Amino acid sequence: GAVVSQHPSRVICKSGTSVKIECRSLDFQATTMFWYRQFPKQSLMLMATSNEGSKATYEQGVEKDKFLINHASLTLSTLTVTSAHPEDSSFYICSARGGGRGTDTQYFGPGTRLTVL
Amino acid sequence: EDQVTQSPEALRLQEGESSSLNCSYTVSGLRGLFWYRQDPGKGPEFLFTLYSAGEEKEKERLKATLTKKESFLHITAPKPEDSATYLCAVRSSSNTGKLIFGQGTTLQVKP
Repeated sequence: GAVVSQHPSRVICKSGTSVKIECRSLDFQATTMFWYRQFPKQSLMLMATSNEGSKATYEQGVEKDKFLINHASLTLSTLTVTSAHPEDSSFYICSARGGGRGTDTQYFGPGTRLTVL
Repeated sequence: EDQVTQSPEALRLQEGESSSLNCSYTVSGLRGLFWYRQDPGKGPEFLFTLYSAGEEKEKERLKATLTKKESFLHITAPKPEDSATYLCAVRSSSNTGKLIFGQGTTLQVKP
């Protein structure tokens, strides 16, 4: 149980293009989803928190117009990196958490490696 | 400010050599301490959640314990497949559900 998938696992794109990453909770309903990025040999950096049906809450320093997050259903959230540049190259990881008592745990997806040329 | 510090940064063990990883935390109202394992190029894999001082949880060769200021992840008779980065994170009552992560401990177990 508590499986989270991400698609694609790897993406290479040209500078200036947009890339969409999907995050799905496969066997539970995720009231809250989180998006992180991780640089080599560093810990996870939270980018934004999204609740189903409402606007995402972005962390300080994260450009909301560049990293568009949509959480349209209880099992799907998407992250769109708009007008990507080489400095956006990173490992992006989503996590999902269900609602209710005893569901404090965030379950993570396998991650998406983005390379912008 | 909520804070999590893990030590050591890196740990090398021989197969079968037991040891412990430390996670020290400062939070305003602990709502859960979480341990994850992360392999290179993959997302973190959930291991344990601890909620109150004195609580312990076990899974195979791993045992997590919790006090009011720190948590330990004890690894008994580790095997090479236990090699990974172990992440500790806390959720506080002031953080609206966000996890605050430590920098991780990278464990290498040699055969």
